[in-house]
Amino acid sequence: KQEVTQIPAALSVPEGENLVLNCSFTDSAIYNLQWFRQDPGKGLTSLLLIQSSQREQTSGRLNASLDKSSGRSTLYIAASQPGDSATYLCAVRFSGSARQLTFGSGTQLTVLP
Amino acid sequence: DAGVIQSPRHEVTEMGQEVTLRCKPISGHDYLFWYRQTMMRGLELLIYFNNNVPIDDSGMPEDRFSAKMPNASFSTLKIQPSEPRDSAVYFCASTPSTGYNEQFFGPGTRLTVL
Repeated sequence: KQEVTQIPAALSVPEGENLVLNCSFTDSAIYNLQWFRQDPGKGLTSLLLIQSSQREQTSGRLNASLDKSSGRSTLYIAASQPGDSATYLCAVRFSGSARQLTFGSGTQLTVLP
Repeated sequence: DAGVIQSPRHEVTEMGQEVTLRCKPISGHDYLFWYRQTMMRGLELLIYFNNNVPIDDSGMPEDRFSAKMPNASFSTLKIQPSEPRDSAVYFCASTPSTGYNEQFFGPGTRLTVL
């Protein structure tokens, strides 16, 4: 079964710290991987999308990496701010799954001022 | 572009009533997805359409759920009759068939069935 796992479920850090969120997936045959942010009571905002042929993508203070062979992706957040507090979701489009995304359960991040 | 639009944002209904959720995808996107999010099960894909045609409805939990896409700019998800276990946040998302197929989500409809 194709699954996506995110550990830890929750993370609390002081403002200014650099941090890494983890995502693992069970099948290395993927088309792409997408990181989302979800604020309480809100929808999902796409942060970064990495194609299977790419190793990383960067947007501002965010950097996402992809290691297909080990079935892992990381989201690196530099110089964290209280405004970064949200739930971060990883979603994988597995090869052969048409357009479906399989989501992890998310990591709830709290950045303390 | 206004992004994916969903209505209503909140719906409270009584068990047994019919519920209709609505979605307008981003213009030019020819894939539309309906997801359900709960604390217990996370985000689950219910059904998706391509060019207004349902492609995969294997995630639809029961026959009480139905979805339609009468045209490229409108889709509905209907629950009839509704049950308390249907309480969840329902999201609609869309993506174009070209490019990297990045999915864009609407704000969701929070459904509470009493």
